[in-house]
Amino acid sequence: DGGITQSPKYLFRKEGQNVTLSCEQNLNHDAMYWYRQDPGQGLRLIYYSQIVNDFQKGDIAEGYSVSREKKESFPLTVTSAQKNPTAFYLCASSDLGGSPTDTQYFGPGTRLTVL
Amino acid sequence: RKEVEQDPGPFNVPEGATVAFNCTYSNSASQSFFWYRQDCRKEPKLLMSVYSSGNEDGRFTAQLNRASQYISLLIRDSKLSDSATYLCVVNIANSGYSTLTFGKGTMLLVSP
Repeated sequence: DGGITQSPKYLFRKEGQNVTLSCEQNLNHDAMYWYRQDPGQGLRLIYYSQIVNDFQKGDIAEGYSVSREKKESFPLTVTSAQKNPTAFYLCASSDLGGSPTDTQYFGPGTRLTVL
Repeated sequence: RKEVEQDPGPFNVPEGATVAFNCTYSNSASQSFFWYRQDCRKEPKLLMSVYSSGNEDGRFTAQLNRASQYISLLIRDSKLSDSATYLCVVNIANSGYSTLTFGKGTMLLVSP
C-alpha cells in the first residue's frame, strides 16, 4: 500500500522540550514538505526538500529543524525556540517528474499540543 | 494583497444544489493550480488540478482565467458528502524552486 505515514497522530509536549515528528513515504517521490495549520488558517510552509541531503527554509522555519538523510524520510524537530508550537503538522510529498510536477500528497498529520 | 484569496464561507446549500467557489491569486507567474478538499481535522486531499482549458471530473468543473488571475470550482448536484473545506492552491516560483501556496479555504455545508 503506497502512501505517506506520519507518527504519532497526537503528541503532547511540555514547554522547553524538543520533539521530533516522523514522516515516511513509499511513493518514491523526490520532494517532501512540512506545513503547519492553525485553526481557521491556511497551510504555512515550514521546510521543504527536493533531494536527499538538501533542504530549504519555508515561510516559517524559525524554531524548527529537519534532515533528509534518506529519500523516503523527512523528520521535523520542533525545538524549544518555537514560540507557539501547538498546531496541526502536515507532511507532503511530490514527484518532480510527475505532471503537473507540483502536485502534493499529504500524510494524515500530527496534532502537537504544548502543555 | 494576499497571495491566494478565498471567501471563507460557509456556503450552506441543500442537497442537489449547484454551488460555485472562486479564488484569486496575486502572482501572475503562477503555472500550476489545484483544488484540494479538507475534511474536519483531516489532511487535505487533491480534488483536481486546474488546466487552462478548464476541466471536468464528474460533478466537479474547474476553470482558470489567467488574465483575471482567477480560479473557480463548480459543484453540481451537491451531496451531503461534499461537505468540507475547499482549498485553492497555486504554485509560487522562488529562486529556482517551486512551492505551493494554499488559500485559507471555503467551507461548504450541504444539508438534507
